[in-house]
Amino acid sequence: DQQVKQNSPSLSVQEGRISILNCDYTNSMFDYFLWYKKYPAEGPTFLISISSIKDKNEDGRFTVFLNKSAKHLSLHIVPSQPGDSAVYFCAASLTYSGGGADGLTFGKGTHLIIQP
Amino acid sequence: GAVVSQHPSWVICKSGTSVKIECRSLDFQATTMFWYRQFPKQSLMLMATSNEGSKATYEQGVEKDKFLINHASLTLSTLTVTSAHPEDSSFYICSAIGDWRTGETQYFGPGTRLLVL
Repeated sequence: DQQVKQNSPSLSVQEGRISILNCDYTNSMFDYFLWYKKYPAEGPTFLISISSIKDKNEDGRFTVFLNKSAKHLSLHIVPSQPGDSAVYFCAASLTYSGGGADGLTFGKGTHLIIQP
Repeated sequence: GAVVSQHPSWVICKSGTSVKIECRSLDFQATTMFWYRQFPKQSLMLMATSNEGSKATYEQGVEKDKFLINHASLTLSTLTVTSAHPEDSSFYICSAIGDWRTGETQYFGPGTRLLVL
């Protein structure tokens, strides 16, 4: 059973507008969430993360929102640019008692297409 | 930011041979490294977690004897695909974490594409 779900396989947004990518998770023990961006034939690139003690984290054009009660997080990109066209993966993790995080559980990704 | 490299980036081999993929953290010491595999149009699948100086922890369904992982130093982990078969053809990605007390980011390598003929 998939613990991290990205229900939209693709999303098309006009350049300059806001892109909103959604992610849902089922394991309430997850307490650390990350978004990655991936171009074809390359490894993922870390974008932004949020821990469960926060509900918002902002970095430039990227903002991640976390709704723990709904087990939902979203990535907002404002304004969207052509270079943002890529596959975006949402990932979740448990932090173990030693202070580190276990492996990440990834969603299947959303292909974001920015139209000129 | 921290950089993780993988070598080789591309490898083609004959069925039955073994292939070694290296993962290096270039400007930090990685206490933990992860190995992932990605099938076309699918998400990354965690294969194993490797802590420096100890045996790797493999995820369910991943054959330990098939995918040998060695994390011999704080900057290097290797994945060896033994007796490769065409179904092992895939994109293999490693990632590394430094000291969690100083950061919370998992840095990914660029990936290695393996094609077994």
